[in-house]
Amino acid sequence: AQTVTQSQPEMSVQEAETVTLSCTYDTSESDYYLFWYKQPPSRQMILVIRQEAYKQQNATENRFSVNFQKAAKSFSLKISDSQLGDAAMYFCAYRGYNNNDMRFGAGTRLTVKP
Amino acid sequence: DVKVTQSSRYLVKRTGEKVFLECVQDMDHENMFWYRQDPGLGLRLIYFSYDVKMKEKGDIPEGYSVSREKKERFSLILESASTNQTSMYLCASSNGLAGITDTQYFGPGTRLTVL
Repeated sequence: AQTVTQSQPEMSVQEAETVTLSCTYDTSESDYYLFWYKQPPSRQMILVIRQEAYKQQNATENRFSVNFQKAAKSFSLKISDSQLGDAAMYFCAYRGYNNNDMRFGAGTRLTVKP
Repeated sequence: DVKVTQSSRYLVKRTGEKVFLECVQDMDHENMFWYRQDPGLGLRLIYFSYDVKMKEKGDIPEGYSVSREKKERFSLILESASTNQTSMYLCASSNGLAGITDTQYFGPGTRLTVL
């Protein structure tokens, strides 16, 4: 079974600085999808960014980008110019190419200091 | 925008009670999911459904059942609630099409406390 590991339970960043959240996964599949979700305090979980495994180019969404290393099975999230509104739990998730269900990591709680 | 709603944000029940958690989505999505979220464990899949009246067990189905009589509604049932089922419950839906666009959209969650 696929597993997703987020080794950083908590991270902290100064406002306007850059932070990187780590994620590794274990799979025997060659095609799959990877996601980062954000869950602000007491608010709905929303999709931040997603990546197809067959694409070598790293996905970017404004201040959010990923470093996808397929051979290393690593999928880190970089947040540039951190803002107070970025404070949240961040979950890394994996979905197999032909699967409907996703596997989530344990989450990283990000604090942004003013 | 996709909207996924859950019937309650907070719920307190007693051990042994039958509990119903309701989830409704308004985007005609094929797939619907129930997760529980616990600190340090992330989200764990309880059940999912890819069509009306269809259901599949996830990783932790014990103590739970589900019902999907209509496409837009997916119910999670705790037949006899126990204290170890105290948790945050998240519902999600996706369109069921192949590919990267099959992203899951989440409801706001129901925090259930079983006394």
